[in-house]
Amino acid sequence: DSGVTQTPKHLITATGQRVTLRCSPRSGDLSVYWYQQSLDQGLQFLIQYYNGEERAKGNILERFSAQQFPDLHSELNLSSLELGDSALYFCASSVGDGEKLFFGSGTQLSVL
Amino acid sequence: GQQLNQSPQSMFIQEGEDVSMNCTSSSIFNTWLWYKQEPGEGPVLLIALYKAGELTSNGRLTAQFGITRKDSFLNISASIPSDVGIYFCAGQPAYSGAGSYQLTFGKGTKLSVIP
Repeated sequence: DSGVTQTPKHLITATGQRVTLRCSPRSGDLSVYWYQQSLDQGLQFLIQYYNGEERAKGNILERFSAQQFPDLHSELNLSSLELGDSALYFCASSVGDGEKLFFGSGTQLSVL
Repeated sequence: GQQLNQSPQSMFIQEGEDVSMNCTSSSIFNTWLWYKQEPGEGPVLLIALYKAGELTSNGRLTAQFGITRKDSFLNISASIPSDVGIYFCAGQPAYSGAGSYQLTFGKGTKLSVIP
């Protein structure tokens, strides 16, 4: 158990819909990262938050947004969903900036 | 940005054989990490390396931080069926700009072990 909690584990929705994925980092970790992993693909970095502030952006679509709350949990919002958004979404956390990451078990998103 | 070339992309090996995989880049890295991902799960950290030339073991796994700081290697000795999974390397670049020190991930090596 990495200590990073992600909910829900699975999510099935339709095109055009909006979903929210939730992540609770390890106790004491200030950084939260979101990654997307499509079938047989590597880990695509989406966005990082550090202590409530956006720290870095990767290949995150404009339809996607995230935030980190004062209690350090984070949410990733995906809107106007398309079939191609179907993927595993991982949250990871670290103590500081760019240190070793600990990953959650992921949310499997299926857009039908 | 920085890119990591991880090879091989996939491997099929016999149980008991040793495995080697590597990660290379044209950029210098300050940290190298190796992760293992099993189906339906998140990547799990195996080994972290912080100094050029460093050699670190974790059971049957051994990883090395290349002396050029542009590569890293992971070896698995005497493979067993539970070694099956995707192994990712990740590196923290010496500098990635904009005050951020993002980890860069390789595309993974998919390991299959034949009993």
